Amino acid sequence: DTEVTQTPKHLVMGMTNKKSLKCEQHMGHRAMYWYKQKAKKPPELMFVYSYEKLSINESVPSRFSPECPNSSLLNLHLHALQPEDSALYLCASSQEGYNEQFFGPGTRLTVL
Amino acid sequence: DQQVKQNSPSLSVQEGRISILNCDYTNSMFDYFLWYKKYPAEGPTFLISISSIKDKNEDGRFTVFLNKSAKHLSLHIVPSQPGDSAVYFCAASWRGGNQFYFGTGTSLTVIP
Repeated sequence: DTEVTQTPKHLVMGMTNKKSLKCEQHMGHRAMYWYKQKAKKPPELMFVYSYEKLSINESVPSRFSPECPNSSLLNLHLHALQPEDSALYLCASSQEGYNEQFFGPGTRLTVL
Repeated sequence: DQQVKQNSPSLSVQEGRISILNCDYTNSMFDYFLWYKKYPAEGPTFLISISSIKDKNEDGRFTVFLNKSAKHLSLHIVPSQPGDSAVYFCAASWRGGNQFYFGTGTSLTVIP
């Protein structure tokens, strides 16, 4: 299995909602990532988990809360988001931090 | 500070011809480079990599060249096909690093 899966594919939420994005990989990768991507921009790193521990938090607002329940799963909990948080949220994994990353298809998030 | 730059936001090439996408970096610690291809509303797909011990790596129609002294790499696609139309990102890291730094992307259009 060489895939990174993400659910849901699309999500529309209000500013008072609480929702979660899910990511899963079964490649035995030990590093997992959350990125945010706006149209015509490169992926913007949000969080890095290495061996299930948060190793990088790129000054992301606390309304985004990552969680790594085990080595195959990565969640991103969302609460009190703003319309400007609307974007494509990408999950990726890699063998280690130095290796090529494999991306999931993304979750298209719209905040109303 | 953008450590990896792709100065051409877009490129159009006739089908069958060569496409050359360029990438420059500023951090001399970078020693591992990747190219990704991205279709709209999908996650980036890994294409090809090169480490600093090489100056060329080839995979089918894709060849990446690295010029360490100029801190420059390029991706050559020969022959270009309409299905190659996508946004291409280069990314860089260093051994021991736990993240990749992405360029701003070049949108390639291959005209049939």
